[in-house]
Parts: sequence; structure tokens; C-alpha cells
Amino acid sequence: GENVEQHPSTLSVQEGDSAVIKCTYSDSASNYFPWYKQELGKGPQLIIDIRSNVGEKKDQRIAVTLNKTAKHFSLHITETQPEDSAVYFCAASKSFQKLVFGTGTRLLVSP
Amino acid sequence: GAGVSQTPSNKVTEKGKYVELRCDPISGHTALYWYRQSLGQGPEFLIYFQGTGAADDSGLPNDRFFAVRPEGSVSTLKIQRTERGDSAVYLCASSLGGATSGNTIYFGEGSWLTVV
Repeated sequence: GENVEQHPSTLSVQEGDSAVIKCTYSDSASNYFPWYKQELGKGPQLIIDIRSNVGEKKDQRIAVTLNKTAKHFSLHITETQPEDSAVYFCAASKSFQKLVFGTGTRLLVSP
Repeated sequence: GAGVSQTPSNKVTEKGKYVELRCDPISGHTALYWYRQSLGQGPEFLIYFQGTGAADDSGLPNDRFFAVRPEGSVSTLKIQRTERGDSAVYLCASSLGGATSGNTIYFGEGSWLTVV
């Protein structure tokens, strides 16, 4: 089955810096790659997603890139703010309903 | 409702007992999912409903776990003979259409189950 690895497990940045989180997946048939943000005591919230027919997608300060050949995808957050502090999960799926998640990255943005 | 609603938010039960966790999806959402999240891990797929039927239950860990959605709206996850290893946050999610349409999956805040 699909296996998703995510790095780093923790990431500390200063406010205004950029943050990059990387994920690799194992199943070349996967075609949908969402990113979720989870705050303490809350459920995961979708922040951006990308499909395998697209190499890059951007939404304001957030962007995701996908390299199908290498089977990896990355989340880029620019101009980080303290409210970006949370745990971020990447996921991969070849059927949309069955998401396979990474182990998460705890992002801490210091003022 | 405004979002996916799950009850109870917290449940402590003794080993061997039976528990039910309820999920009320976003109104109009036909697809419903259950995931389980252990401490420090990402959510793990359990089961997916399209309407009243379980379209994919391949993530249920064993026959102690069962889920129903009799009227295509509210769903109940049932766990028999609970074990300490069942302790986790059980997340419910829903999406507007069938999963193959790629609609956004919205998660609830979860039910935190502790088996003592």
C-alpha cells in the first residue's frame, strides 16, 4: 500500500521567514495530494491541495509543488506569522476517499 | 449544521466495554469518512460511506470495529470489547459528493477515546 514520509518533524522559524515541509510517497498511482493544518484540539483543516496533472499551485502565502518523477511534494509558506503555528500533515491518495497521511510537522513561528 | 459534529468529544471507558461514537456530517454531504489518529501520528483511514453503504471498510482494524449510516446522514462508529490500544482520537469527515469527484473533505474535531 501507499506510504508517505514527511520531514522535518519539527520546524522553528522567525516571523516573516519562509517554511518548507517535504513529503515523499511510494505509490506511483497516487494522484491527489492535500495538505492539512491541525491546531491543538481541532480536526485537520484543508489548506491547499494539488492533483497529479499540475506541477505547482499557489494560494496567497501558501504554495505546493509536485514532482511526480521523484514522487515527492512540498509545502511552502512565505512570510510566516505566529498564527501559522500548528501541525501540518501531507497526504496522498489514488482514490480521494482513502487519504494516507504523513506523520506531521510541528511548525512554530516565533514573533 | 455549519460543520461536522462529533459526540462525545471525550469518552473514558474501561477495558472490555462497548462504546459508540456519533458523527453528524455537514448537511447535504453524501460521503462520510472515519479516521483514527493516535498521539503524534497522522490520521489513519478506517471506513468510507457513500450514502448508506460502506464503499470501503478496508481500514477497520478487526471485527471489534463496526460503523453504520442507516439513513445516509448520521453515522455511528461502534467498538466492542475495547482494548487499551484503541485509545485515540476518532475523526469523522464528510464531503459533498462522491469521493472520486475530488470534493474537499471536511473533518470534525474528533472524539477522544481513552480506554483504561
